[in-house]
Amino acid sequence: KAGVTQTPRYLIKTRGQQVTLSCSPISGHRSVSWYQQTPGQGLQFLFEYFSETQRNKGNFPGRFSGRQFSNSRSEMNVSTLELGDSALYLCASSPGTSGADTQYFGPGTRLTVL
Amino acid sequence: KQEVTQIPAALSVPEGENLVLNCSFTDSAIYNLQWFRQDPGKGLTSLLLIQSSQREQTSGRLNASLDKSSGRSTLYIAASQPGDSATYLCAVRHSGSSNTGKLIFGQGTTLQVKP
Repeated sequence: KAGVTQTPRYLIKTRGQQVTLSCSPISGHRSVSWYQQTPGQGLQFLFEYFSETQRNKGNFPGRFSGRQFSNSRSEMNVSTLELGDSALYLCASSPGTSGADTQYFGPGTRLTVL
Repeated sequence: KQEVTQIPAALSVPEGENLVLNCSFTDSAIYNLQWFRQDPGKGLTSLLLIQSSQREQTSGRLNASLDKSSGRSTLYIAASQPGDSATYLCAVRHSGSSNTGKLIFGQGTTLQVKP
């Protein structure tokens, strides 16, 4: 099985712009979670989608949003970018039907905001 | 609020040494605990997953233990190799169906194994 894929791998944006990141989960997985990783804050949970519905949400401002499509692919969007949004954005997939599931992570998208 | 702490933040050992990485969490109401490895600039690779009802899990040279009542987990690496150099992260998943996709991570331990 192919692993979790994320596109693009690298992005450079300027303050005030918006950005969309994409995540394709492992085939058959219905849950996609997004995380932000920064040197100062470490890995922080953004949100989880399951069967096209947001199931859980972290403590991030409304500028961060996401969605999931019927094929389980997910996108996250960040509007009005700030310098502090520079980070590695990771998505993880799992079957999503049990808390016992292992989460599998993608390689991440490195976002730099200038 | 659940907090996860990993000690030490960094560790350097000579090749062949056995070592232990520590992870502690403040709320014992967890569903499971997962250990990950992260190479620089890369994503996370799952190493071991321990359910709350289990005491330990083993995979090759890795052994992870869980003491839920005391809020502690350890990752034991036997006969360390330079290829084990990476950052090791532990993450807990809370009990409750609403939290199935949410992991709370520690800050990680950066391990360097010197040849």
